[in-house]
Amino acid sequence: DIQMTQSPSSLSASVGDRVSISCRTSQNISRYLNWYHQKPGKAPKLLIFGASTLQSGVPSRFSGAGSGTTFTLTISGLQPDDFATYYCQQSFNSLVTFGQGTRLDI
Amino acid sequence: QIQLTQSGAEGRKPGSSVKVSCRASGGTFSSHAVSWVRQAPGQGLEWMGTIIPIFGKPNIAPKFQDRVIITADESTSTAYMELNGLKSEDSAVYYCARVLHGAFDYWGQGTLVSVSS
Repeated sequence: DIQMTQSPSSLSASVGDRVSISCRTSQNISRYLNWYHQKPGKAPKLLIFGASTLQSGVPSRFSGAGSGTTFTLTISGLQPDDFATYYCQQSFNSLVTFGQGTRLDI
Repeated sequence: QIQLTQSGAEGRKPGSSVKVSCRASGGTFSSHAVSWVRQAPGQGLEWMGTIIPIFGKPNIAPKFQDRVIITADESTSTAYMELNGLKSEDSAVYYCARVLHGAFDYWGQGTLVSVSS
């Protein structure tokens, strides 16, 4: 299995801040990396696929970068709605794996 | 508008089985893969398996190979996930999700499965 390691595991920030979350993989996955956020009691929501392509309807303050084994999700200008848990997920091979999650708190 | 509607919460005893359904509406069901992902209380997301309805043969995570059956019925645009030999640690919310470009772009609302004696 491809191991996914997110950092930090939790993060505190304020409205208007710029934050970045890292996701590292145990092997080269090219750009087969997707990002989600999830609020308590809700299903995850796709933010970015293919490492950097914004899903339709997702605000442009979200951006993704990286390739190979190191990826970053950046939120520029945090909004109250952005406080949630963030997950990365690899789709390089048929055995899908997720990162352990990064909790973003106010 | 694509929607995935899952069956309701289930309570089961250890050793029994549960079957969760996921009905798709508003899109083409057969040609898109559907995956099942679960989330134990306070934990992260865990992929269980994926099926492309038009092909029928699922791809199941090694951890669940001997306990999970994933099927799809094209006539009703419904995918199913059956988990056998339930244990208390299988208590979780189970989600179905549509797969596009390897990402899960639409999700069901989740089905809570509680396993307790």
